[in-house]
Amino acid sequence: DAKTTQPTSMDCAEGRAANLPCNHSTISGNEYVYWYRQIHSQGPQYIIHGLKNNETNEMASLIITEDRKSSTLILPHATLRDTAVYYCIVRVGRDTGTASKLTFGTGTRLQVTL
Amino acid sequence: NAGVTQTPKFQVLKTGQSMTLQCAQDMNHEYMSWYRQDPGMGLRLIHYSVGAGITDQGEVPNGYNVSRSTTEDFPLRLLSAAPSQTSVYFCASRAGGTDTQYFGPGTRLTVL
Repeated sequence: DAKTTQPTSMDCAEGRAANLPCNHSTISGNEYVYWYRQIHSQGPQYIIHGLKNNETNEMASLIITEDRKSSTLILPHATLRDTAVYYCIVRVGRDTGTASKLTFGTGTRLQVTL
Repeated sequence: NAGVTQTPKFQVLKTGQSMTLQCAQDMNHEYMSWYRQDPGMGLRLIHYSVGAGITDQGEVPNGYNVSRSTTEDFPLRLLSAAPSQTSVYFCASRAGGTDTQYFGPGTRLTVL
């Protein structure tokens, strides 16, 4: 699986958009980009994933560059409850023998403030 | 639908003791995994299973055993606990053909 690089920490004012970047310059054509987050003392929570097209769900939007070497997770209106560590993960698609493997790095610690 | 449950929530062991961390899911998921999380290191995969009767090693399998006799349960056994196994342990599951992993609340283990 390709390696990812994320900033160690970011701050965001409540109500503003939080834009979390991720670099994955060695990504392969069959690898997806996944985002999870972990609120303090809880298990990780799935947010969104994509292959090459931009994706949106009720939690966030995922913007993937055309060359797929980087992506941005967007929380459109951050709240205090979005304070968490956000993990960008790149891995091969589902239903392979190693499909359960999620290689978590150290992520980005997002602090949402009043 | 309880999702992924883990017991116990907290555990303190002495070096050399053995114990089993329990994990169960009621979503009929094929895939289950165990991770450990240490400060500054993110989550590391210990063992995983792609179905009942099938298990495989992850990144850090030494000192841990697993079995998968049923779809629902995926226990993690520490054979002889060591202080290096002090960590927070998370169990996760997902359905085949989907991408979303569901994590349990974690077990905080301290080995003295």
